Amino acid sequence: SQQGEEDPQALSIQEGENATMNCSYKTSINNLQWYRQNSGRGLVHLILIRSNEREKHSGRLRVTLDTSKKSSSLLITASRAADTASYFCATVPYNTDKLIFGTGTRLQVFP
Amino acid sequence: SQTIHQWPATLVQPVGSPLSLECTVEGTSNPNLYWYRQAAGRGLQLLFYSVGIGQISSEVPQNLSASRPQDRQFILSSKKLLLSDSGFYLCAWSGQGVAGELFFGEGSRLTVL
Repeated sequence: SQQGEEDPQALSIQEGENATMNCSYKTSINNLQWYRQNSGRGLVHLILIRSNEREKHSGRLRVTLDTSKKSSSLLITASRAADTASYFCATVPYNTDKLIFGTGTRLQVFP
Repeated sequence: SQTIHQWPATLVQPVGSPLSLECTVEGTSNPNLYWYRQAAGRGLQLLFYSVGIGQISSEVPQNLSASRPQDRQFILSSKKLLLSDSGFYLCAWSGQGVAGELFFGEGSRLTVL
């Protein structure tokens, strides 16, 4: 069963705008990760945030984690057409070795 | 550097035929290995994962099976495919211990007719 649910399912924005995607999950976690998938390709890891962290940055990416609400958000600032892809959150449930993915957000950035 | 190879990239199989998808990892040892399936336009469903040779955890009861005959080899199999087995199959690896960053192969697209 899927651990995470992303919101929105699809998002369309113009280049230069910010894109925010949200993820909710169900159980206690070790860490939460965000991945990107271009159509028909494998997934690429973007960022990992541990359960004792609240915010993390990587380039134009900003991830927040609220373990009390079991939710996370991914912010992409100053988006580019090349950011067009599907974005997935994934959680490692506490005391496990497995990574459970959410349903994903399809981001379309128009030039 | 580490690389992951997955094949075949594409296959079309009739219902009832067998399946074998193979995944190998290079440049690392004792990886955790994973098989996921992705239906069209959907998220990833974890099928199997392995923390060592011969150690397979199954997440979804179905007509698929997985084996890890060597440290860096992970095989997904079926004796008789169903229409519902169609999808995009992804192999991935991570370092030992609590799952950190996963590195994915390019996927195998299976169509069952």
